[in-house]
Amino acid sequence: QQQVKQSPQSLIVQKGGISIINCAYENTAFDYFPWYQQFPGKGPALLIAIRPDVSEKKEGRFTISFNKSAKQFSLHIMDSQPGDSATYFCASGSEKLVFGKGTKLTVNP
Amino acid sequence: GAGVSQSPRYKVTKRGQDVALRCDPISGHVSLYWYRQALGQGPEFLTYFNYEAQQDKSGLPNDRFSAERPEGSISTLTIQRTEQRDSAMYRCASSVSSGGAGTGELFFGEGSRLTVL
Repeated sequence: QQQVKQSPQSLIVQKGGISIINCAYENTAFDYFPWYQQFPGKGPALLIAIRPDVSEKKEGRFTISFNKSAKQFSLHIMDSQPGDSATYFCASGSEKLVFGKGTKLTVNP
Repeated sequence: GAGVSQSPRYKVTKRGQDVALRCDPISGHVSLYWYRQALGQGPEFLTYFNYEAQQDKSGLPNDRFSAERPEGSISTLTIQRTEQRDSAMYRCASSVSSGGAGTGELFFGEGSRLTVL
């Protein structure tokens, strides 16, 4: 399968800080770039998604920045909260999704 | 319930046995996907269906793995002659869209954890 490279593997931030997670994809035919959030013992749940016709999408404290020429996209979590502590997966694809390996985010109170 | 339901939640089997994992998608969802998720890794695509038709099975590791969705609702993932390397969390997801995962949100179940001894 085409690779989706995600970094960092783990991230620790203080409450109120900004969390940034990065992803790089290979296939230029991909046209859908979601981020999924997974809590322990649960399945992944869609957090926010973007298509390549825009460079940024914001939903509340969550923003995706997309750089088509670099084939990279990132998730920014503003004002990070302890409740945001979870594993985050980027994904990309069209008919099917290829997921990154995940970033475990810990937000300290 | 309103979510994707998977059973069994936990399955321990001996090497060489066959196992069947069941997925009951959200009512009315057209597409159904099977993913495998190893510990500490992201979900890995196995196969997907639109209604009862298997659209893509390119992610199935080998011919011991098969899936069906005969009536376009419940799906079964079958692993024959299980091996220790098959141990993983198997996740099912469904979507209201028929255009593939890129056209609609995937709703994941809580998974079936398979352990092969």
